[in-house]
Amino acid sequence: DTEVTQTPKHLVMGMTNKKSLKCEQHMGHRAMYWYKQKAKKPPELMFVYSYEKLSINESVPSRFSPECPNSSLLNLHLHALQPEDSALYLCASSQILAGTDTQYFGPGTRLTVL
Amino acid sequence: AQSVTQPDIHITVSEGASLELRCNYSYGATPYLFWYVQSPGQGLQLLLKYFSGDTLVQGIKGFEAEFKRSQSSFNLRKPSVHWSDAAEYFCAVGGMTTDSWGKFQFGAGTQVVVTP
Repeated sequence: DTEVTQTPKHLVMGMTNKKSLKCEQHMGHRAMYWYKQKAKKPPELMFVYSYEKLSINESVPSRFSPECPNSSLLNLHLHALQPEDSALYLCASSQILAGTDTQYFGPGTRLTVL
Repeated sequence: AQSVTQPDIHITVSEGASLELRCNYSYGATPYLFWYVQSPGQGLQLLLKYFSGDTLVQGIKGFEAEFKRSQSSFNLRKPSVHWSDAAEYFCAVGGMTTDSWGKFQFGAGTQVVVTP
């Protein structure tokens, strides 16, 4: 099973709302990732967790707050977002954090900020 | 600076025809190379990858890619395209140093349109 699941599939929120995106994998992977993808562009890395510890933060604004409560779950908490934050948010996981490791992607959450 | 280039933004191909997508990289050593496909509104799916060894790599869905060190290329090919191959294709390089592990460098992507 090489499945990464993400909920919700779609999310519409106002600029003052607080919401969370959820990502789950049961492959025993110890590295998990958040990406942001705008239309017609490649994914942009936001955060990486390795063994439940934040390993990479690509200078993401603090209105995005990641959380990795256990090895299977990754959350992205959203607060006071801007319309330009509207995008497809992709979660991925890999066995470990290594250059050769394949990242397995979820289907994404389509976020619209009004 | 390290970079990945996909020269073709958009390719139109007839169903049943062959397809070749280009990917060029600029790295000092042999990079860790990946090809992913993304259908509209979906996540990315790995087609194939290359780290070392045989330079012709077989992937899923009938795709193959050839690593050519002399040309710094890792082009993706399929002999006969199906309508379901219409998608966005990304070439990516995996981070090669410990401080870049996990950081994929993606190309800009190539959109493939398949006509009847």
